[in-house]
Amino acid sequence: AQSVAQPEDQVNVAEGNPLTVKCTYSVSGNPYLFWYVQYPNRGLQFLLKYITGDNLVKGSYGFEAEFNKSQTSFHLKKPSALVSDSALYFCAVRDIETDKLIFGTGTRLQVFP
Amino acid sequence: EPEVTQTPSHQVTQMGQEVILRCVPISNHLYFYWYRQILGQKVEFLVSFYNNEISEKSEIFDDQFSVERPDGSNFTLKIRSTKLEDSAMYFCASSPQGPSSLGYTFGSGTRLTVV
Repeated sequence: AQSVAQPEDQVNVAEGNPLTVKCTYSVSGNPYLFWYVQYPNRGLQFLLKYITGDNLVKGSYGFEAEFNKSQTSFHLKKPSALVSDSALYFCAVRDIETDKLIFGTGTRLQVFP
Repeated sequence: EPEVTQTPSHQVTQMGQEVILRCVPISNHLYFYWYRQILGQKVEFLVSFYNNEISEKSEIFDDQFSVERPDGSNFTLKIRSTKLEDSAMYFCASSPQGPSSLGYTFGSGTRLTVV
């Protein structure tokens, strides 16, 4: 079965510092990986996806993610965090056979001024 | 940018009552989905819908749940007799091509509170 894991419930970072939100995956075949963000009382917003090609994927709001096949990871990164980046971040993998997204448990990012 | 629209944003209902959650997918999308997120927990797949029928459903999606596309624009999720544990945020999503497509757009969600 395909799955993703987000090992950290919460990540705290000071504004201006780089941030990393971790995600590892377990899939059979090629992974289709996604990051979504959820702001308080809001829906899920797409940040970026990896399908194929360059291992470094750039997305919305200055975020990027690095696909690492050997480590089965797809960590979300941003060079300089903003207080407004504080939100809940979900990693997800697309189950192509069954046409559904399988989400991780989410990581709450808190950026302090 | 096209959006998936969900109404209402928040609904409170009494246990045992029927509730209908409404969604307007992106107009040229063909595949539709419902997910839910119980407070503080992860987002879970409920059901996918294509060509006026369910293409897949999860174990959560039991006989109390049903989906419908009544008029070619709306996509609804009905819960016949709500239980306290149905309290959650319900997300609708749509996709242009289904399994061959990698695009997936979510609505902003309906927060259902069962009292």
